Amino acid sequence: DAGVIQSPRHEVTEMGQEVTLRCKPISGHDYLFWYRQTMMRGLELLIYFNNNVPIDDSGMPEDRFSAKMPNASFSTLKIQPSEPRDSAVYFCASSDSDTQYFGPGTRLTVL
Amino acid sequence: QQQVKQSPQSLIVQKGGISIINCAYENTAFDYFPWYQQFPGKGPALLIAIRPDVSEKKEGRFTISFNKSAKQFSLHIMDSQPGDSATYFCAASGPGTYKYIFGTGTRLKVLA
Repeated sequence: DAGVIQSPRHEVTEMGQEVTLRCKPISGHDYLFWYRQTMMRGLELLIYFNNNVPIDDSGMPEDRFSAKMPNASFSTLKIQPSEPRDSAVYFCASSDSDTQYFGPGTRLTVL
Repeated sequence: QQQVKQSPQSLIVQKGGISIINCAYENTAFDYFPWYQQFPGKGPALLIAIRPDVSEKKEGRFTISFNKSAKQFSLHIMDSQPGDSATYFCAASGPGTYKYIFGTGTRLKVLA
């Protein structure tokens, strides 16, 4: 298996623009997690899905953030409008058990 | 009560030495305790994990020690190597959920 796939790997955008991050989980995994990593706050869980249904979105920082999982093989995390403080590395992870498998991350820079 | 406290924040060890990273938790419902290793520019990857029914788990040079009464667990890296230089995260999750609570991470540097 190719592992968790994320795109793009790097994204540079200007404040106010819409940003969409994409994730393809490992086939057969029924849990999908979105994390944000910064030096100041470490690894933060934003939202997670089970069988394509959002289970816990309490980590989503504000209404500018939204996530969807239209099918078992695809999820998006959207930021609209983006702000400089959203600059971070965003990870997607999937699991079918206790172990979470992380993707390579998307490094987002908002100017 | 959901926090996992990790220490130290950073650690420098000589090659061949023992690296020790500690974590403490409060929620006694947690029943799965993984350690993740992250290299620069990469996503975290599972290193080793333990459940509270055992006090120790060893995989190669990596050992988790678990103290249920003290609500603490630690990672020991024996014969530390420069290739072990990475950031290490402890985590905890509860029954019926695969949601992790991560520690703040420890940046390990092993000197050659």
